Amino acid sequence: ETGVTQTPRHLVMGMTNKKSLKCEQHLGHNAMYWYKQSAKKPLELMFVYSLEERVENNSVPSRFSPECPNSSHLFLHLHTLQPEDSALYLCASSQDLAGRNPNEKLFFGSGTQLSVL
Amino acid sequence: AQKVTQAQTEISVVEKEDVTLDCVYETRDTTYYLFWYKQPPSGELVFLIRRNSFDEQNEISGRYSWNFQKSTSSFNFTITASQVVDSAVYFCALSEAGRDDKIIFGKGTRLHILP
Repeated sequence: ETGVTQTPRHLVMGMTNKKSLKCEQHLGHNAMYWYKQSAKKPLELMFVYSLEERVENNSVPSRFSPECPNSSHLFLHLHTLQPEDSALYLCASSQDLAGRNPNEKLFFGSGTQLSVL
Repeated sequence: AQKVTQAQTEISVVEKEDVTLDCVYETRDTTYYLFWYKQPPSGELVFLIRRNSFDEQNEISGRYSWNFQKSTSSFNFTITASQVVDSAVYFCALSEAGRDDKIIFGKGTRLHILP
């Protein structure tokens, strides 16, 4: 148990659906991240939030919309996705932004396995 | 640009054998951090180790050991006397000092430990 909880664990959706992924951490961390893990590509950083403010958006299509209502929760809203968006979506958190603190490390959730039909 | 290469896509070894997972990185920074993460079948990524670029001392933790060599830009990971529970995908990652928000991951190496 890493302290980062993601729901749902699995999601199947059609291209016209709207769904949301949820991530929750009660580790007291200030930074939260969304990563995408495809079958054949490296882990891709999608969004970074620090103290509820978006720090980075890595050229992610607008059909992915993040939301961070407070430091413990992070959402990823999905709409009109494409089949190539099928992947494992991982949420992570860290005390401070990764790379700034020598002792920093990321804690990951178990991910949401998304299938877009 | 920073880059992490894990050339081994998939490795299978018989239980109790030693296995080394390779990681080669590219960065222009002199200060950077290297990581290894384990992803078991359950999906979550588990942090294993973080090293900074100024500390080339090799590290051993139980059956795990890491060999950091700046001369070859490599940060290899060895599991000694492997066990079935070591079966997982292992990711090597790099972050650069000053890039507060980004850790770049390799594609991962899927390790199968056969009983």
